[in-house]
Amino acid sequence: DTGVSQNPRHKITKRGQNVTFRCDPISEHNRLYWYRQTLGQGPEFLTYFQNEAQLEKSRLLSDRFSAERPKGSFSTLEIQRTEQGDSAMYLCASSTDRSPYNEQFFGPGTRLTVL
Amino acid sequence: DAKTTQPPSMDCAEGRAANLPCNHSTISGNEYVYWYRQIHSQGPQYIIHGLKNNETNEMASLIITEDRKSSTLILPHATLRDTAVYYCIVRPYTDKLIFGTGTRLQVFP
Repeated sequence: DTGVSQNPRHKITKRGQNVTFRCDPISEHNRLYWYRQTLGQGPEFLTYFQNEAQLEKSRLLSDRFSAERPKGSFSTLEIQRTEQGDSAMYLCASSTDRSPYNEQFFGPGTRLTVL
Repeated sequence: DAKTTQPPSMDCAEGRAANLPCNHSTISGNEYVYWYRQIHSQGPQYIIHGLKNNETNEMASLIITEDRKSSTLILPHATLRDTAVYYCIVRPYTDKLIFGTGTRLQVFP
């Protein structure tokens, strides 16, 4: 068990470009979450998958953001037409409904800088 | 919005107990109290959770008041590696996490 992995770890892009991040959850974790964290703030919930179904999306997730989890394993988060305000750490977490603790395991995050 | 209130920062001497308070006066009957911490440049890490009984694991103890309106996370023997931001979160058992701004704990030698 290697934990939750995220790629890339860092991404620098110019305003207006599209970016895509990948999250590989802990194997057999059926739940996957995306969060965004800006400097000095706690993580903010973006969206949540149970298996391949996207069950909840935050109002923070504008039309420029889209997330997928096509086979219920890895997930991608795409941001189209990036803006400087999108600069943040994007965190992925996974959990399993078979755990009595229902804890979420977080990856190291992808730090996005939009110039 | 976060349903918890925590002090923005605390200091603790290495080897001493760190007691981190959290107020959650609007907690509902089906909501658990979870604690996570985030060490600089890492993702948050689960510490402990509880419903109404006090809980202890290898990392910490959680004391929840009888009325459930507040709780305290106790790190019994703080080390320098415990320096982190600690988040207290109330949530239903299966819901997303809603983080506040947490308590920045600085452990000093």
